[in-house]
Amino acid sequence: DAGVTQSPTHLIKTRGQHVTLRCSPISGHKSVSWYQQVLGQGPQFIFQYYEKEERGRGNFPDRFSARQFPNYSSELNVNALLLGDSALYLCASSLTGAVGYTFGSGTRLTVV
Amino acid sequence: DAKTTQPTSMDCAEGRAANLPCNHSTISGNEYVYWYRQIHSQGPQYIIHGLKNNETNEMASLIITEDRKSSTLILPHATLRDTAVYYCIVRGNQGGSEKLVFGKGTKLTVNP
Repeated sequence: DAGVTQSPTHLIKTRGQHVTLRCSPISGHKSVSWYQQVLGQGPQFIFQYYEKEERGRGNFPDRFSARQFPNYSSELNVNALLLGDSALYLCASSLTGAVGYTFGSGTRLTVV
Repeated sequence: DAKTTQPTSMDCAEGRAANLPCNHSTISGNEYVYWYRQIHSQGPQYIIHGLKNNETNEMASLIITEDRKSSTLILPHATLRDTAVYYCIVRGNQGGSEKLVFGKGTKLTVNP
C-alpha cells in the first residue's frame, strides 16, 4: 500500500517567492495535517484539514495557507518566502485525525 | 507548548531493552499518551499510545503510572535501526483540532 506521498522532495526558492507543496494521503484517510520542522526542533503544527474543512491552525502567519481537495489530497502554500521558512515540511494523514497519524517523508525547502 | 518532559539523550546497547521515560504531570483525564519516533531525514513514525492501561504492540510496550503523571516506552530488544529521536506527546481524542504538540524528544543511540 502506498503511504503518504509528498512532492517535491526537495526544492530551493529565493526570498520573496511563493511555493506550493503537495500531499497525497493514504487511500481512505480523510484527515490531513501539515507540520514544519526546523533543524534541531520537533515538528510544529501548521494546519489540519478534515473532509475539506479547516479543523485547526497553528501559530503561523497568514503567508501560510492550505486547502484540501475532494480526493483528500492537500496543498500547502507559502507566500513571500523568508529565510526562516527553510525547513522540512511534513504532511500526515489519518482516518479521522483522532488516532495515530502516518507521516510522509517531507519536503525539504531551502530559501536563499 | 509541549506538555511533556523527556531526557535529551540516552544510550543503549544493542540487544538490550531501551527504557525511555516521559513526565506529563499536567495530563488531564481525557488525554492519551502517544509515542512517535523519527529516524534521521524521515517523517515521524507512530509507535504506540495509551490512556491508563499498559499497552503492547509489535514495536514496543507502554507503561503508564497509576497516577498517569509519567510513562515509559520500552523497546524490548533494541537494534541499531532503533536509533532515532523519540517523542512523547499527550493529547485528547475528542473532536476539535487533533494536533500533535512535539517537544524536542529523546535522542536514543543504540550502540553495537
